[in-house]
Amino acid sequence: AQSVTQPDIHITVSEGASLELRCNYSYGATPYLFWYVQSPGQGLQLLLKYFSGDTLVQGIKGFEAEFKRSQSSFNLRKPSVHWSDAAEYFCAVIPNNDMRFGAGTRLTVKP
Amino acid sequence: NAGVTQTPKFRVLKTGQSMTLLCAQDMNHEYMYWYRQDPGMGLRLIHYSVGEGTTAKGEVPDGYNVSRLKKQNFLLGLESAAPSQTSVYFCASSLVRNTEAFFGQGTRLTVV
Repeated sequence: AQSVTQPDIHITVSEGASLELRCNYSYGATPYLFWYVQSPGQGLQLLLKYFSGDTLVQGIKGFEAEFKRSQSSFNLRKPSVHWSDAAEYFCAVIPNNDMRFGAGTRLTVKP
Repeated sequence: NAGVTQTPKFRVLKTGQSMTLLCAQDMNHEYMYWYRQDPGMGLRLIHYSVGEGTTAKGEVPDGYNVSRLKKQNFLLGLESAAPSQTSVYFCASSLVRNTEAFFGQGTRLTVV
């Protein structure tokens, strides 16, 4: 079945440590790819997106993501996590006309 | 600029009651979406619209109906609410298919 998979339900990192959140998709063609962040009680905010071209994309708040076609992956990274990054992160794809989301990864930041 | 506005923000329904959730966007976007968010399941697409007068089913359309009579509004209806429809509902819009989606603040619905 076609899907978006975020293998990590919950990740805890120390403030200042690096972060990588994983996302894999299973659609035939390369879809449009996105990462969104949701703070508690809020809607979703776009972090970054990939349509084509350079496979390393930069987003807001110091986040970046790398598209790897061979692995059908679009992993999100940040070199140094801040306490304000604690939130839930969603990977999303647009395979056709509709946007589909992964189940999300909740990030906890330890002091 | 209000962006995407959802009303109401909270609602408690009894089983079998009906209600309509309203989503309004002021960005002249063509695409609009309704999602439900449940713990551990991310956002699942209920219905979407690619323009005024059009609607299409998403992943979990059963028990819901939608209408897009005006470009700026996308209504989600529950004809006979069930406890399984307890969820947080999000509306989103995007200019065209492959652009950023803007989300409303959500509607927390409880069906008892």
